Amino acid sequence: GAGVSQSPSNKVTEKGKDVELRCDPISGHTALYWYRQSLGQGLEFLIYFQGNSAPDKSGLPSDRFSAERTGGSVSTLTIQRTQQEDSAVYLCASSLGGQGLGPTFGSGTRLTVV
Amino acid sequence: EDQVTQSPEALRLQEGESSSLNCSYTVSGLRGLFWYRQDPGKGPEFLFTLYSAGEEKEKERLKATLTKKESFLHITAPKPEDSATYLCAVQARGGSQGNLIFGKGTKLSVKP
Repeated sequence: GAGVSQSPSNKVTEKGKDVELRCDPISGHTALYWYRQSLGQGLEFLIYFQGNSAPDKSGLPSDRFSAERTGGSVSTLTIQRTQQEDSAVYLCASSLGGQGLGPTFGSGTRLTVV
Repeated sequence: EDQVTQSPEALRLQEGESSSLNCSYTVSGLRGLFWYRQDPGKGPEFLFTLYSAGEEKEKERLKATLTKKESFLHITAPKPEDSATYLCAVQARGGSQGNLIFGKGTKLSVKP
């Protein structure tokens, strides 16, 4: 597709349930990023994939969060045992990597934990 | 600690009234500074990347400039369609290329 695609666009889940968020990056982009945006807060880095290198997981807030990227393309962010503080917009972005244009973001998944 | 502070938090302008948004940063070596525009319900849209002090980039009514401590986004003769939240982010040299440190943004409203 022409842009970064995320699904679902909205997700309401009960506290304690697991959720999976999907990201389809721009074709050919080797770098993929996950960020979280909470109300009134800046974007918070979660995880970064670049080609075949080991992902940078330094932003994951707890071991309930994990992400994988299959075949260098689609990525899934999984949150286990969701908590109310996990409610936020989860944004995925992709880029060609290296210096140049900044990452291209998708429209995000709005997660609400009730 | 690497940090980005944007000011003001909100800015209301009349159409045609030029102004500037500020992004102050503290980083252990700057790899790049990014400006994004974000409309409600959408992801950030890339505007500019700046790499070194003195660099300037322009796009339509927007011009971004960079010094060793801050960046400005100048908006000349804004129109209502320029209303959005403008985000600044820095990428630190030596840090992960994926870790852009974002400010909280400046919400710009341009009234006709």
